[in-house]
Parts: sequence; C-alpha cells; structure tokens
Amino acid sequence: DIQMTQSPSTLSASVGDRVTITCRASQSISSWLAWYQQKPGKAPKLLIYKASTLENGVPSRFSGSGSGTEFALTISSLQPDDFATYYCQQHSSYSTFGQGTKVEI
Amino acid sequence: QVQLVESGGGVVQPGRSLRLSCAASGDTLRWNGMHWVRQAPGKGLEWVAGISYDGNNKYYAESVRGRFTISRDNSKNTLYLQMDSLRPEDTAVYYCAKDRFGGFPVPREFDSWGQGTLVTVSS
Repeated sequence: DIQMTQSPSTLSASVGDRVTITCRASQSISSWLAWYQQKPGKAPKLLIYKASTLENGVPSRFSGSGSGTEFALTISSLQPDDFATYYCQQHSSYSTFGQGTKVEI
Repeated sequence: QVQLVESGGGVVQPGRSLRLSCAASGDTLRWNGMHWVRQAPGKGLEWVAGISYDGNNKYYAESVRGRFTISRDNSKNTLYLQMDSLRPEDTAVYYCAKDRFGGFPVPREFDSWGQGTLVTVSS
C-alpha cells in the first residue's frame, strides 16, 4: 500500500500569512494527488486535483505543486475562512489519505 | 450538482451487522465511481471501499476486506455498504463520496461528499 505522510501535523499561523503544507508518498504517484479542506463537523471539500489543478470555485490563493513523491499545498494569504484541517489523497494505487494538517491561529 | 445523503448509522454491538445507504439526488450517479470514506472520532480520513460506475469492480481497504461489501443500485441512484462482523475500531462517521470519473481501473478525485452518518460499535 502507498503511505502518505503530511507535515506538519499542526500549523499555527495568522491572517495574511503564506502557509505551505507538504505531503510525501512512499512511492511515486505521478500527479495523482488531491487536496481537501475539512472544517469541524463538516464533510471534506475538494480543493485541488492532479496535484496542481484548482477545483472550480476554489479561491486562487490556494495552489498545489509537485509530482512523483513530493507535493505541497500553499495558501498565499491566509484568510479567516481557511482555518481548517487539510488532507492530501493519493489515487494512483487505489486511495490513501494523509493524516491531516490542522491550520490554527 | 449532485446531493448525497447517507443513512443507516447507529449503535450496534460488536460482531453484529449494519447496512449504510447513500442516496443521490439532483443528478445521476450511473457514470461515476463511488466510495465510502470514514473518520473515527478525532482522527483523520480513511478510505474504506470503492466501486466502479457499473458495479463490476470493487475495492477495499485491508482493514475491512472480507467484512464489508460495497454495492450500488443505479436504478435507485443509491450506494450501499454492508458491514458485517463489526468491531469497536469501526466506530466512525461514514461518508459517501462521488468519483469524478468511472472509478475503474483507478479512482479519481472525490468531488462531492455526503454529510456523513455515525456508526458506533459498542457493547
């Protein structure tokens, strides 16, 4: 099975900060990586797919990069609505999620 | 935009069974793969099972293989998860999620999710 490792587990930031979350796959997954945002008590929401393609309706301050085994999600200027938990997901060999990164104040 | 609504969760004793349903409205699911993803209390997301658009291909996480069965009825626009031999570690919110494409031979990103249904396995 492909393992996904996110870092950090928790990130403390302020409104306006640029933040980056990284995700590492245990083997190459090409660009078959998605990023999701989840708020407490809510279902996850797709932000980015194919490593760097922004889902319709997602603000442009979100961006994704990487291929192979190393990936990143960047929020260029953190907004109050962005405080949430973020998950990466590989779907090269069925599906596995990372353990999550909580972005908090 | 499709809306997904899960049902069937509840409290069940270890070793017993439960069947979850996920009903779709607003669009047909017949061309999309579908998945179940769960989240234990305070924990992260875990992919549980997936099924291709036509129901011919099914995939399971190692943690549930042999105990859980995913199925679908495209005439009813509904996805199911039959959970047998339940264990306390199966306690979680169970989400159904729509695959952007057909779910075979590999899935794509999950672009719509239900609100989840809570399953609690406890004596």
